[in-house]
Amino acid sequence: AQSVAQPEDQVNVAEGNPLTVKCTYSVSGNPYLFWYVQYPNRGLQFLLKYITGDNLVKGSYGFEAEFNKSQTSFHLKKPSALVSDSALYFCAVRDSRTGANNLFFGTGTRLTVIP
Amino acid sequence: DGGITQSPKYLFRKEGQNVTLSCEQNLNHDAMYWYRQDPGQGLRLIYYSQIVNDFQKGDIAEGYSVSREKKESFPLTVTSAQKNPTAFYLCASSTPNRDQPQHFGDGTRLSIL
Repeated sequence: AQSVAQPEDQVNVAEGNPLTVKCTYSVSGNPYLFWYVQYPNRGLQFLLKYITGDNLVKGSYGFEAEFNKSQTSFHLKKPSALVSDSALYFCAVRDSRTGANNLFFGTGTRLTVIP
Repeated sequence: DGGITQSPKYLFRKEGQNVTLSCEQNLNHDAMYWYRQDPGQGLRLIYYSQIVNDFQKGDIAEGYSVSREKKESFPLTVTSAQKNPTAFYLCASSTPNRDQPQHFGDGTRLSIL
């Protein structure tokens, strides 16, 4: 079975501070991992993905994510948060080889950046 | 620009009424998906289609129906059998390649009158 857990419903961080949004996953094989961002009344926008290779992947708007196979985690990070980063963030996973081609999403983490 | 267009942005349903949500994509993607989003529950898969004239039920298909007569279009009908239809509905599309992300439309918000 494939699943994603985002253990924090809400993350608050001060503007200019580093931010982390946590994600852990479960797949039977090798994972393909994705982060998305959602602004109010909008669809999900793709930020970055891990497929293979370097454990640190860089994406849009200065975001990056670190893949940790032993901890089955894929935490989203940014060195310096902006107020405009305030949004809902979703982690998603699919198995790289088996099962349906669907993405499995976490329940989302609401990030608030405080000015 | 290529993308996914969902319409209408807001929709109201009366008791006993079926309503249809439109989803059109010009990305030439084979696969299309419908999700329902409720606060605190993330995205739940309603139906998906990997190819024209074929579709499969997702986790919460009861009270919904779809068709896939054209590659570009994947309309969702919310039937009167869906007793709690108030939600934000998102359509997505993707290539068959597992390493590629899904692309999303901007959603339709459905409410009950």
